Amino acid sequence: SQTIHQWPATLVQPVGSPLSLECTVEGTSNPNLYWYRQAAGRGLQLLFYSVGIGQISSEVPQNLSASRPQDRQFILSSKKLLLSDSGFYLCAWSVRRPVGLKGETQYFGPGTRLLVL
Amino acid sequence: QQQVKQSPQSLIVQKGGISIINCAYENTAFDYFPWYQQFPGKGPALLIAIRPDVSEKKEGRFTISFNKSAKQFSLHIMDSQPGDSATYFCAASSGAGSYQLTFGKGTKLSVIP
Repeated sequence: SQTIHQWPATLVQPVGSPLSLECTVEGTSNPNLYWYRQAAGRGLQLLFYSVGIGQISSEVPQNLSASRPQDRQFILSSKKLLLSDSGFYLCAWSVRRPVGLKGETQYFGPGTRLLVL
Repeated sequence: QQQVKQSPQSLIVQKGGISIINCAYENTAFDYFPWYQQFPGKGPALLIAIRPDVSEKKEGRFTISFNKSAKQFSLHIMDSQPGDSATYFCAASSGAGSYQLTFGKGTKLSVIP
C-alpha cells in the first residue's frame, strides 16, 4: 500500500530564517506530487505541483520554492521566511495518468505545522 | 470558472440527524468529485468520491448526490455521530491540464450529543 510521509511535524522558525520541508511517498512510482498550504480555519491553497523529477509548476508567486530531486521526494523551501508563511503545509500525491484521461484523487500526508515568529 | 462553491461554512447537527453539505461548480470539464474529511491537526482524508456517470453513490452512512445538469453535488451524512465532527471539503478535477484538484472552502461540522 502507498504511504506518504512529511517531516518535521511541527516547526517554529524566526522571521528571515530558511525553510526546508520534506515529503516522501512509498509504494508507488512516478506519482504526481503537490504542496498545499492551509491557513488556520481556511481552505487549501495549491502552491506547487510536479509531474516528474525536476518538473515543478508554481501556482502562487511567493518566496517559497519547491524541488523534486528524486521520483518520490518533494521538498518545499524558502531562503527567508515571512510571518505570512505560517500555516499548515500539506503534501499530496496522485497516480500519474496521461493527459485526457479522467481526473484522479489526491492522497494527503499528515502535514507540517509551521509557525514563523 | 475554476471555482467550487461550498456551503454552509459551518453546520451544527444533533446526534442521529442528517448532515447535508452542498457544492456547486461551473467548469463542465470536471469529471471527478471527491469529498475529504479533515480532523484538527491532520491531513485531509478521502471520504467518498463520484464520477458524473452516476447520480448517487453510497458508502455506509455517507452518500454523494450528483446533479450534472445543475452542476451541483452534495454530501449527506446519515445518523450523524459526534465522531463525524470535522471539516469537510468538496473538490473537483478533470483529466485535462495539470491534474489539479479544485477545492471548496470547507464546512466545519459539529455533531452535538
